[in-house]
Amino acid sequence: EPEVTQTPSHQVTQMGQEVILRCVPISNHLYFYWYRQILGQKVEFLVSFYNNEISEKSEIFDDQFSVERPDGSNFTLKIRSTKLEDSAMYFCASSPNRQGKWETQYFGPGTRLLVL
Amino acid sequence: TQLLEQSPQFLSIQEGENLTVYCNSSSVFSSLQWYRQEPGEGPVLLVTVVTGGEVKKLKRLTFQFGDARKDSSLHITAAQPGDTGLYLCAAKKSGGSYIPTFGRGTSLIVHP
Repeated sequence: EPEVTQTPSHQVTQMGQEVILRCVPISNHLYFYWYRQILGQKVEFLVSFYNNEISEKSEIFDDQFSVERPDGSNFTLKIRSTKLEDSAMYFCASSPNRQGKWETQYFGPGTRLLVL
Repeated sequence: TQLLEQSPQFLSIQEGENLTVYCNSSSVFSSLQWYRQEPGEGPVLLVTVVTGGEVKKLKRLTFQFGDARKDSSLHITAAQPGDTGLYLCAAKKSGGSYIPTFGRGTSLIVHP
């Protein structure tokens, strides 16, 4: 069964460093998402992406964040200058159809980011 | 900010017991989803409910969306150890925005 994959599974970085989290969505899906989940807290929406541009973003997704689909398979989340409070599990998700219908999203296993 | 309150926060039961977990809000939602998340994994969608009063069944799981579309419940009959996990509800308001709000979840442990 197709699945969303994410790399790395864990990343430790120093405050102020740039990190790139990678995701490979399911191949025929059109919508891509990033979420984060700080330990012990709720899942929070960051951004949705369709047709090579951002569809929606939350207040969390400020200028320090960017997303890119550099080729036909990868979907990346970059944090330019990490802060301690960026430590969280980051989930990528993809869905096959238009988000307006709130189609089923398939989540990846997540990347646990720890900022020291 | 819309808030989804899930209760109970933790639930520990024996195999074979029945349980109900709740997802409540003061806001009206156009649709609501329930997910299960296991440790080290991403959430997995269980169901989407869109109509007030709607009831959906998935094997031993019964999902209900409140008449006013402000709340939802998940009932599990004869719980099994494989039901162990974090149950999350997520909802979105009417309109074009996709942005969902998640609850903090109910952590369920089913002991054999």
